[in-house]
Amino acid sequence: GEDVEQSLFLSVREGDSSVINCTYTDSSSTYLYWYKQEPGAGLQLLTYIFSNMDMKQDQRLTVLLNKKDKHLSLRIADTQTGDSAIYFCAESSSNTGKLIFGQGTTLQVKP
Amino acid sequence: GAVVSQHPSRVICKSGTSVKIECRSLDFQATTMFWYRQFPKQSLMLMATSNEGSKATYEQGVEKDKFLINHASLTLSTLTVTSAHPEDSSFYICSAGSMNTEAFFGQGTRLTVV
Repeated sequence: GEDVEQSLFLSVREGDSSVINCTYTDSSSTYLYWYKQEPGAGLQLLTYIFSNMDMKQDQRLTVLLNKKDKHLSLRIADTQTGDSAIYFCAESSSNTGKLIFGQGTTLQVKP
Repeated sequence: GAVVSQHPSRVICKSGTSVKIECRSLDFQATTMFWYRQFPKQSLMLMATSNEGSKATYEQGVEKDKFLINHASLTLSTLTVTSAHPEDSSFYICSAGSMNTEAFFGQGTRLTVV
């Protein structure tokens, strides 16, 4: 079945770049998403990429998609303490429109 | 971007009572809405797909008689947790969208059953 995997924890120093990785299994994925969740809050859409793209950049965020390896990454440049949160990747299948989420990566930014 | 409003954001109820959570798409028509549940420090799990004007499609293991979903209009879906018990305490999130478009999420509802 469909599956999305992420590493659970990443710790970086303020000002460094963060790279959060995600792998998925559904080859029919059309959209791949990155969401941010702060404690006790809902989901905030950070960015998404269509499956026929291999890169998307939006200010400090860069998304790389390797469709052959079914690997997605989110790079946050100049990471700030306010970036500390849980980051979820998710994929959307063209067949159903529902989202399958990874387990979430907790990003800890140290001053 | 599009806005999805979820209400209430927090609710505390007594065991055995029912709780209704609303999910509204404020500036677009959502033929499909999705209800997710998130346990503490875990990922979001899809509970059901809510289709306007028809019965919801539930994921395996989700009790349809306990989690009643109604999608009576193109802008509103409701999730009712019936006869709530402490193990139903969780964070419930709705999203609205359709095939080949991005999904828009509500703010989530923190349900605590005491």
